Amino acid sequence: DQQVKQNSPSLSVQEGRISILNCDYTNSMFDYFLWYKKYPAEGPTFLISISSIKDKNEDGRFTVFLNKSAKHLSLHIVPSQPGDSAVYFCAATSALNAGNNRKLIWGLGTSLAVNP
Amino acid sequence: NAGVTQTPKFRILKIGQSMTLQCTQDMNHNYMYWYRQDPGMGLKLIYYSVGAGITDKGEVPNGYNVSRSTTEDFPLRLELAAPSQTSVYFCATLAGTGYGYTFGSGTRLTVV
Repeated sequence: DQQVKQNSPSLSVQEGRISILNCDYTNSMFDYFLWYKKYPAEGPTFLISISSIKDKNEDGRFTVFLNKSAKHLSLHIVPSQPGDSAVYFCAATSALNAGNNRKLIWGLGTSLAVNP
Repeated sequence: NAGVTQTPKFRILKIGQSMTLQCTQDMNHNYMYWYRQDPGMGLKLIYYSVGAGITDKGEVPNGYNVSRSTTEDFPLRLELAAPSQTSVYFCATLAGTGYGYTFGSGTRLTVV
Protein backbone atom coordinates (compact mmCIF):
# COMPACT_ATOMS: atom_id res chain seq x y z
CA ASP A 1 0.00 0.00 0.00
CA GLN A 2 1.78 3.08 -1.29
CA GLN A 3 0.84 5.91 1.06
CA VAL A 4 2.91 8.44 -0.87
CA LYS A 5 2.52 8.31 -4.62
CA GLN A 6 4.53 9.94 -7.35
CA ASN A 7 2.63 8.87 -10.43
CA SER A 8 5.04 10.24 -13.01
CA PRO A 9 8.23 8.16 -13.14
CA SER A 10 9.90 10.71 -15.38
CA LEU A 11 9.60 14.28 -16.61
CA SER A 12 11.48 16.17 -19.31
CA VAL A 13 11.54 19.98 -19.59
CA GLN A 14 13.50 22.60 -21.45
CA GLU A 15 16.05 24.74 -19.67
CA GLY A 16 14.50 27.95 -18.42
CA ARG A 17 10.97 26.56 -18.28
CA ILE A 18 9.03 25.48 -15.22
CA SER A 19 9.29 21.94 -13.85
CA ILE A 20 6.30 20.68 -11.87
CA LEU A 21 6.66 17.47 -9.90
CA ASN A 22 3.57 16.01 -8.27
CA CYS A 23 2.96 13.90 -5.20
CA ASP A 24 -0.23 12.47 -3.74
CA TYR A 25 -0.75 10.93 -0.33
CA THR A 26 -3.46 8.80 1.21
CA ASN A 27 -2.83 9.05 4.95
CA SER A 28 -4.73 12.00 6.41
CA MET A 29 -2.47 11.88 9.49
CA PHE A 30 0.48 13.15 7.49
CA ASP A 31 1.22 16.74 8.44
CA TYR A 32 4.75 17.35 7.26
CA PHE A 33 6.08 16.87 3.77
CA LEU A 34 9.53 16.99 2.24
CA TRP A 35 11.23 16.86 -1.11
CA TYR A 36 14.61 15.26 -1.57
CA LYS A 37 16.84 15.34 -4.62
CA LYS A 38 19.10 12.49 -5.65
CA TYR A 39 21.92 12.42 -8.18
CA PRO A 40 23.28 9.09 -9.48
CA ALA A 41 25.77 7.38 -7.18
CA GLU A 42 24.95 9.78 -4.35
CA GLY A 43 22.60 9.71 -1.40
CA PRO A 44 19.46 11.87 -1.41
CA THR A 45 19.79 15.45 -0.18
CA PHE A 46 17.08 17.46 1.52
CA LEU A 47 15.60 20.14 -0.72
CA ILE A 48 12.53 21.77 0.80
CA SER A 49 9.70 20.99 3.20
CA ILE A 50 6.25 22.19 4.15
CA SER A 51 4.08 21.85 7.20
CA SER A 52 0.36 21.21 6.88
CA ILE A 53 -0.37 24.57 8.50
CA LYS A 54 0.91 26.21 5.33
CA ASP A 55 -0.10 25.90 1.71
CA LYS A 56 3.09 27.23 0.17
CA ASN A 57 6.78 27.35 0.98
CA GLU A 58 9.37 29.00 -1.20
CA ASP A 59 13.15 28.76 -1.28
CA GLY A 60 14.83 30.45 -4.19
CA ARG A 61 13.85 28.68 -7.41
CA PHE A 62 11.99 25.96 -5.52
CA THR A 63 8.41 26.26 -4.29
CA VAL A 64 6.28 23.56 -2.73
CA PHE A 65 2.49 23.82 -2.77
CA LEU A 66 0.22 21.80 -0.51
CA ASN A 67 -3.47 21.13 -1.13
CA LYS A 68 -4.68 19.31 1.95
CA SER A 69 -8.22 18.75 0.76
CA ALA A 70 -6.90 16.98 -2.32
CA LYS A 71 -4.06 15.31 -0.42
CA HIS A 72 -1.72 16.63 -3.07
CA LEU A 73 1.54 18.51 -3.13
CA SER A 74 3.72 19.74 -5.92
CA LEU A 75 7.26 21.00 -6.33
CA HIS A 76 7.81 23.85 -8.78
CA ILE A 77 11.27 24.65 -10.10
CA VAL A 78 11.54 27.98 -11.90
CA PRO A 79 13.57 28.44 -13.99
CA SER A 80 14.75 24.89 -14.54
CA GLN A 81 18.46 24.36 -15.07
CA PRO A 82 20.39 21.37 -16.44
CA GLY A 83 21.92 20.87 -12.99
CA ASP A 84 18.42 20.17 -11.67
CA SER A 85 18.39 16.89 -13.59
CA ALA A 86 18.03 14.29 -10.84
CA VAL A 87 15.51 12.01 -9.18
CA TYR A 88 13.13 13.83 -6.84
CA PHE A 89 11.56 12.02 -3.92
CA CYS A 90 8.50 13.15 -2.04
CA ALA A 91 8.32 12.07 1.62
CA ALA A 92 5.78 12.49 4.39
CA THR A 93 5.44 12.02 8.11
CA SER A 94 3.10 12.78 11.00
CA ALA A 95 3.40 14.53 14.33
CA LEU A 96 3.08 11.11 15.93
CA ASN A 97 6.59 10.44 14.70
CA ALA A 98 7.97 13.76 15.89
CA GLY A 99 8.91 12.64 19.36
CA ASN A 100 9.23 9.02 18.44
CA ASN A 101 11.23 7.63 15.56
CA ARG A 102 10.98 10.43 13.00
CA LYS A 103 10.42 7.95 10.22
CA LEU A 104 9.57 9.19 6.76
CA ILE A 105 7.30 7.52 4.22
CA TRP A 106 8.76 7.83 0.74
CA GLY A 107 7.37 8.01 -2.76
CA LEU A 108 9.03 6.11 -5.62
CA GLY A 109 10.60 9.20 -7.14
CA THR A 110 10.34 11.16 -10.37
CA SER A 111 13.33 11.42 -12.66
CA LEU A 112 13.64 14.97 -14.00
CA ALA A 113 15.65 15.71 -17.12
CA VAL A 114 16.27 19.36 -17.94
CA ASN A 115 17.40 19.72 -21.52
CA PRO A 116 19.72 22.56 -22.58
CA ASN B 1 33.56 17.47 8.20
CA ALA B 2 32.87 13.99 6.79
CA GLY B 3 29.15 13.81 7.63
CA VAL B 4 27.93 10.25 6.99
CA THR B 5 30.49 7.75 5.73
CA GLN B 6 29.49 4.41 4.26
CA THR B 7 31.90 1.62 3.43
CA PRO B 8 32.39 -0.21 1.17
CA LYS B 9 31.00 1.62 -1.87
CA PHE B 10 30.65 -1.57 -3.89
CA ARG B 11 30.62 -5.25 -3.00
CA ILE B 12 29.83 -8.52 -4.73
CA LEU B 13 28.80 -11.37 -2.46
CA LYS B 14 28.13 -15.00 -3.17
CA ILE B 15 24.88 -16.54 -1.97
CA GLY B 16 25.19 -17.57 1.66
CA GLN B 17 28.11 -15.28 2.47
CA SER B 18 27.90 -12.69 5.19
CA MET B 19 29.09 -9.13 5.42
CA THR B 20 28.77 -5.92 7.40
CA LEU B 21 27.97 -2.58 5.83
CA GLN B 22 29.56 0.18 7.84
CA CYS B 23 28.02 3.55 8.60
CA THR B 24 29.79 6.20 10.65
CA GLN B 25 28.73 9.77 11.38
CA ASP B 26 30.57 12.64 13.00
CA MET B 27 27.62 14.97 13.56
CA ASN B 28 26.55 13.56 16.94
CA HIS B 29 23.08 12.83 15.54
CA ASN B 30 20.88 10.62 17.66
CA TYR B 31 18.74 9.14 14.91
CA MET B 32 20.20 6.75 12.35
CA TYR B 33 18.50 4.75 9.60
CA TRP B 34 19.30 2.05 7.10
CA TYR B 35 17.43 2.08 3.79
CA ARG B 36 17.58 -0.01 0.70
CA GLN B 37 16.68 1.20 -2.76
CA ASP B 38 15.86 -1.30 -5.47
CA PRO B 39 15.84 -0.26 -9.16
CA GLY B 40 12.79 1.88 -9.94
CA MET B 41 11.67 1.76 -6.36
CA GLY B 42 11.65 4.17 -3.49
CA LEU B 43 13.47 3.91 -0.22
CA LYS B 44 12.51 1.07 2.09
CA LEU B 45 13.44 1.31 5.77
CA ILE B 46 15.34 -1.72 7.06
CA TYR B 47 16.26 -0.75 10.63
CA TYR B 48 16.57 2.42 12.62
CA SER B 49 17.99 3.66 15.89
CA VAL B 50 16.92 6.62 18.05
CA GLY B 51 20.09 6.54 20.10
CA ALA B 52 23.00 4.42 21.28
CA GLY B 53 21.81 1.07 22.54
CA ILE B 54 18.36 1.36 20.92
CA THR B 55 17.40 -0.22 17.61
CA ASP B 56 14.13 -1.19 15.99
CA LYS B 57 12.82 -2.83 12.84
CA GLY B 58 11.65 -0.92 9.82
CA GLU B 59 9.53 -2.14 6.90
CA VAL B 60 11.92 -4.80 5.53
CA PRO B 61 14.13 -6.14 8.37
CA ASN B 62 14.22 -9.82 7.39
CA GLY B 63 17.73 -11.05 6.61
CA TYR B 64 19.42 -8.13 8.37
CA ASN B 65 20.67 -7.22 11.82
CA VAL B 66 21.99 -4.01 13.32
CA SER B 67 23.69 -2.76 16.45
CA ARG B 68 24.25 0.71 17.89
CA SER B 69 26.89 0.54 20.57
CA THR B 70 28.02 4.13 20.01
CA THR B 71 26.39 7.31 18.73
CA GLU B 72 28.76 7.35 15.77
CA ASP B 73 28.42 3.84 14.35
CA PHE B 74 25.43 1.92 13.01
CA PRO B 75 26.59 -1.20 11.14
CA LEU B 76 24.19 -3.34 9.11
CA ARG B 77 24.85 -7.07 9.08
CA LEU B 78 23.79 -9.55 6.39
CA GLU B 79 24.20 -13.07 7.72
CA LEU B 80 23.22 -15.28 4.75
CA ALA B 81 23.23 -13.22 1.59
CA ALA B 82 20.46 -13.90 -0.92
CA PRO B 83 19.94 -12.54 -4.47
CA SER B 84 16.90 -10.62 -3.17
CA GLN B 85 19.31 -8.49 -1.13
CA THR B 86 20.92 -7.10 -4.27
CA SER B 87 20.29 -3.40 -3.84
CA VAL B 88 21.79 -0.02 -3.01
CA TYR B 89 21.96 0.57 0.72
CA PHE B 90 21.84 4.04 2.24
CA CYS B 91 22.56 5.06 5.77
CA ALA B 92 21.00 8.30 7.03
CA THR B 93 21.18 10.37 10.19
CA LEU B 94 19.00 13.01 11.79
CA ALA B 95 19.56 15.53 14.53
CA GLY B 96 17.00 15.94 17.31
CA THR B 97 14.77 18.33 15.39
CA GLY B 98 13.32 18.53 11.92
CA TYR B 99 13.33 15.90 9.23
CA GLY B 100 16.27 16.92 7.09
CA TYR B 101 18.03 13.60 6.92
CA THR B 102 21.71 13.48 5.99
CA PHE B 103 22.47 10.52 3.77
CA GLY B 104 25.67 8.68 3.04
CA SER B 105 26.68 8.04 -0.56
CA GLY B 106 25.47 4.44 -0.49
CA THR B 107 26.78 0.89 -0.83
CA ARG B 108 25.96 -0.99 -4.01
CA LEU B 109 25.64 -4.68 -3.15
CA THR B 110 25.27 -7.49 -5.66
CA VAL B 111 24.56 -11.04 -4.50
CA VAL B 112 25.30 -13.74 -7.09
